[in-house]
Amino acid sequence: DAKTTQPPSMDCAEGRAANLPCNHSTISGNEYVYWYRQIHSQGPQYIIHGLKNNETNEMASLIITEDRKSSTLILPHATLRDTAVYYCIVGPSFGNEKLTFGTGTRLTIIP
Amino acid sequence: SQTIHQWPATLVQPVGSPLSLECTVEGTSNPNLYWYRQAAGRGLQLLFYSVGIGQISSEVPQNLSASRPQDRQFILSSKKLLLSDSGFYLCAWTWTQMDYGYTFGSGTRLTVV
Repeated sequence: DAKTTQPPSMDCAEGRAANLPCNHSTISGNEYVYWYRQIHSQGPQYIIHGLKNNETNEMASLIITEDRKSSTLILPHATLRDTAVYYCIVGPSFGNEKLTFGTGTRLTIIP
Repeated sequence: SQTIHQWPATLVQPVGSPLSLECTVEGTSNPNLYWYRQAAGRGLQLLFYSVGIGQISSEVPQNLSASRPQDRQFILSSKKLLLSDSGFYLCAWTWTQMDYGYTFGSGTRLTVV
């Protein structure tokens, strides 16, 4: 699996957009970008994924650069409940064996 | 709808004792199943995954083993626990045919004393 690089921690003011970056310069052509988050003492929660195009769902937006070497997860209006560790992962298509989680970005939403 | 059950939620076990953690998935068939471990303040480490009954792939050689006796049941075991086995154990599932991503259970916090 390709590796990812994320900042260890970030702060964001409540109500503002939280933009979490991820570098994945060695991503291969058939690998997706996935984002999960883990609230303290809970299992990780799937947020969003994409291959080439930008994606949006009810939780977040995913912006993938044209060369696919980096991406940004956007939480449009951060709330205190968005405080969590966010994991950016690259790997094969869904269900195809395994994903490897790194240490992620600890996002703290500040009131 | 699909649900994943993992138990117990917390467990305190003495060194040298056996371990059995169980994970079951409902509402789907032939899921891919995974066991992850998270040490305090660390990322998730993949321990085992299974793509079918009796098919287990081990990622890290260690004091643990996994079994899949039924399609939707995944068990993590140890014959003799070590202090280093302490951690937060998470079961997850996904399905090759659907765009669901990994769904994780609520986890078991194991403390070996």
